[in-house]
Amino acid sequence: QLVLTQSPSASASLGASVKLTCTLSSGHSSYAIAWHQQQPEKGPRYLMKLNSDGSHSKGDGIPDRFSGSSSGAERYLTISSLQSEDEADYYCQTWGTGILWVFGGGTKLTVL
Amino acid sequence: EVQLVESGGGLIQPGGSLRLSCAASGFTVSSNYMTWVRQAPGKGLEWVSVIYSGGSTYYADSVKGRFTISRDNSKNTLYLQMNSLRAEDTAVYYCASGVNFQHWGQGTLVTVSS
Repeated sequence: QLVLTQSPSASASLGASVKLTCTLSSGHSSYAIAWHQQQPEKGPRYLMKLNSDGSHSKGDGIPDRFSGSSSGAERYLTISSLQSEDEADYYCQTWGTGILWVFGGGTKLTVL
Repeated sequence: EVQLVESGGGLIQPGGSLRLSCAASGFTVSSNYMTWVRQAPGKGLEWVSVIYSGGSTYYADSVKGRFTISRDNSKNTLYLQMNSLRAEDTAVYYCASGVNFQHWGQGTLVTVSS
C-alpha cells in the first residue's frame, strides 16, 4: 500500500533554512512526488514535482528559496532564508496506476 | 493565466444532493487531468475523484457510488455531483488541474448537517 509519511510539525527561525521530509512506503522508493503549500485560510499552491533522482520542476513564480532533493525513499523540501509568509502547511502527494492519488498528512511549519 | 473558480457549495441536510462547479480559464479542461480534492475542517487533503482527458473517471472508495465527476467541454467547466451526502462529507472542496495538481481553485465549502 502506497503511503506518504510526514512529520506533523516543524519550526525554524526567520532567515534560517528548514528541510521537510516526505517518506514513501516500502516498495515505492522510485515514485516521484509533488510538494504543495497551503497558507492559513487559503487554498493549496503547487510548489514542485520532485523525482527520485532529485531533479525537480517548480511551479510558476515559486522562488529560488524553495528546492527539492531525494535520497532513497525520502523526498525533501528545503526552504532557505525563511520568511514569515512561509509559515504554512506543506503536503506531499504522489500518484500511480491503480493507486491513483495519495497525500501525506502534512507538516505544519512555524516560522519563529 | 490559468484560473479555476469553484462554486455550488452550501449547507445541505444528510441524504441530500449538491452539484459543485469548477469554471476554468486559460487552458482547456478536456485536455487535462481534472481532479476534486477535499479538506475536512482542521484536517489534511483527501483526493476525491479524477476525470482523465480521455473521459475515464475514478473515485476514492469513500465516495464511490455516491459522487459523479463530469465536464462540459463547451463551458470549459468541471462538475462534481454529490448524492446521499453524509456528515463526513463536510469539507472545503477544491478542483485542481494536471497530474501533479499544478493549478488549484480557491475552494467551496460544503456543510452536511441537519
